[in-house]
Amino acid sequence: EAQVTQNPRYLITVTGKKLTVTCSQNMNHEYMSWYRQDPGLGLRQIYYSMNVEVTDKGDVPEGYKVSRKEKRNFPLILESPSPNQTSLYFCASRSGLAGSEQYFGPGTRLTVT
Amino acid sequence: EDQVTQSPEALRLQEGESSSLNCSYTVSGLRGLFWYRQDPGKGPEFLFTLYSAGEEKEKERLKATLTKKESFLHITAPKPEDSATYLCAVLGASNTGKLIFGQGTTLQVKP
Repeated sequence: EAQVTQNPRYLITVTGKKLTVTCSQNMNHEYMSWYRQDPGLGLRQIYYSMNVEVTDKGDVPEGYKVSRKEKRNFPLILESPSPNQTSLYFCASRSGLAGSEQYFGPGTRLTVT
Repeated sequence: EDQVTQSPEALRLQEGESSSLNCSYTVSGLRGLFWYRQDPGKGPEFLFTLYSAGEEKEKERLKATLTKKESFLHITAPKPEDSATYLCAVLGASNTGKLIFGQGTTLQVKP
């Protein structure tokens, strides 16, 4: 089954404790991205990657890091989480820059206290 | 600047009462317009892609249409299970490949 998976699905952590949210897709997609979704603000892109070793900032990259060492994986790293990073996070993937459909993961609900 | 505006923000329908959701957009070089369904706390689920004005696509009770300035998602004889937030997004000619999302329309269908 074609899918995007994320782990963990739920995470409660404390300020400053480094964490990683994993993302994996099994569709051999080149393009992957991370979003956060907050009430009233909609979906905002954090980082994106056009292919292995090619990543760039989205609209709200501050406080986040990513890496793309393999085509299927695109982890999101929070080096020093803060309460304003409490949000619902989605990983997504699609085949290239052209207008192909983008598929989303199930989401990770992060709470930073 | 590429932009997407969805209306209404919220819509309440009785079961069987057909209606339409609107997605107005401005984009440089439309490469695709996408409709998604999102249930609370879950990832957006892909519904349709439209590429050019005049194009239409259907899936069960949903039909998406596209003009040069807007797209409509028509819901015919909705059922309570159609209750969700519907998101519209556009992909323009930007070299970042970023989808521009609207804020969504939250649909509630009452039995």
